[in-house]
Amino acid sequence: DAKTTQPNSMESNEEEPVHLPCNHSTISGTDYIHWYRQLPSQGPEYVIHGLTSNVNNRMASLAIAEDRKSSTLILHRATLRDAAVYYCILRTSYGKLTFGQGTILTVHP
Amino acid sequence: DTEVTQTPKHLVMGMTNKKSLKCEQHMGHRAMYWYKQKAKKPPELMFVYSYEKLSINESVPSRFSPECPNSSLLNLHLHALQPEDSALYLCASSLLWAAKSPLHFGNGTRLTVT
Repeated sequence: DAKTTQPNSMESNEEEPVHLPCNHSTISGTDYIHWYRQLPSQGPEYVIHGLTSNVNNRMASLAIAEDRKSSTLILHRATLRDAAVYYCILRTSYGKLTFGQGTILTVHP
Repeated sequence: DTEVTQTPKHLVMGMTNKKSLKCEQHMGHRAMYWYKQKAKKPPELMFVYSYEKLSINESVPSRFSPECPNSSLLNLHLHALQPEDSALYLCASSLLWAAKSPLHFGNGTRLTVT
């Protein structure tokens, strides 16, 4: 599976938007971009996924670059409960879902 | 609460014991996964089942033996483990083993091998 690169950590203030970047320069045409987050003492939680177009759901928005070599997860108003490790992953059919190191998001009150 | 249920939540076992981890989902998903996660590390894939058939084994030692008796149930049988096998074991499922199928994770079994 193609690899992704994320910053090790980011900080935000409560009720402010957060933009979490992910680089995936070796993405192939059929790779979907998935985002998961993991809160302490819990399993990873699915956040959002997309192929080419920007995507919105109740949790977040996913902005995908036109060349698909990067993407950004957008949390519109961070809360303390959004503090977690965020993983950006490329998923292929019949392939592995391989986690990278992720971004540790700290949210300040 | 997650829709993937893992039992037990915690397990302590000796190196000569035999134990099993259980994972259950009732979402009609046909792909199921086992991951292992050490402290402060990302989850690492161990096994993938698709339609109850083992599709990926990531060169996992034979002391870990997966089983998928039906589409809702996934087991991980443990035998003669080592202390370094202590970790959080995560089960996940997805509708299909396909790129656009998101994974749903359980909260894991925290295993300690003494």
